[in-house]
Amino acid sequence: NAGVTQTPKFRVLKTGQSMTLLCAQDMNHEYMYWYRQDPGMGLRLIHYSVGEGTTAKGEVPDGYNVSRLKKQNFLLGLESAAPSQTSVYFCASSRPLVLAYNEQFFGPGTRLTVL
Amino acid sequence: KQEVTQIPAALSVPEGENLVLNCSFTDSAIYNLQWFRQDPGKGLTSLLLIQSSQREQTSGRLNASLDKSSGRSTLYIAASQPGDSATYLCAVRGFYGGATNKLIFGTGTLLAVQP
Repeated sequence: NAGVTQTPKFRVLKTGQSMTLLCAQDMNHEYMYWYRQDPGMGLRLIHYSVGEGTTAKGEVPDGYNVSRLKKQNFLLGLESAAPSQTSVYFCASSRPLVLAYNEQFFGPGTRLTVL
Repeated sequence: KQEVTQIPAALSVPEGENLVLNCSFTDSAIYNLQWFRQDPGKGLTSLLLIQSSQREQTSGRLNASLDKSSGRSTLYIAASQPGDSATYLCAVRGFYGGATNKLIFGTGTLLAVQP
């Protein structure tokens, strides 16, 4: 099993450009999440999904959109990138909370720089 | 508002020592607590998950305890090795306006085990 994979690994954007980050998991998890990690701020939840076709806002959703068209994929979009979105982005997945072994598993991250 | 604190921010120990990493949280109404390891430039690896009804979990040389009433968790590492060098993060999942899908992370403890 590959677990949680993310593409791309690195990306440099200019202000105003758009891009989509792809997350894929092969563990048949219902829940998927997008986080950003910034120095001194820890990890913060951007958006999450509790199932195919559903999404919800996390702590810092502004400037991002997401889609969960397939159970195994969770896409994070930046419509008009800003320097404040320079960060490392992590995707995670988990089983539903009502089930045991519901820990979150993380992907390797995408390092994004917005100039 | 839930806040998670990890002290110390950095720790250096000689190989073979037993050590304890601390995590404290302000709101005791948590669903579970998870300990992670993060190597430089990498994603997060889940180490241990403790449900709110549990007091400890063990995996190999790692033992995590949870005291909800005092808002504390500790990660005990026995017989430390240079390969244990990494940043250790704790995260709590609570009931935030009904959204239990959010992990609140501490900013981590950077551990260096000297050979």
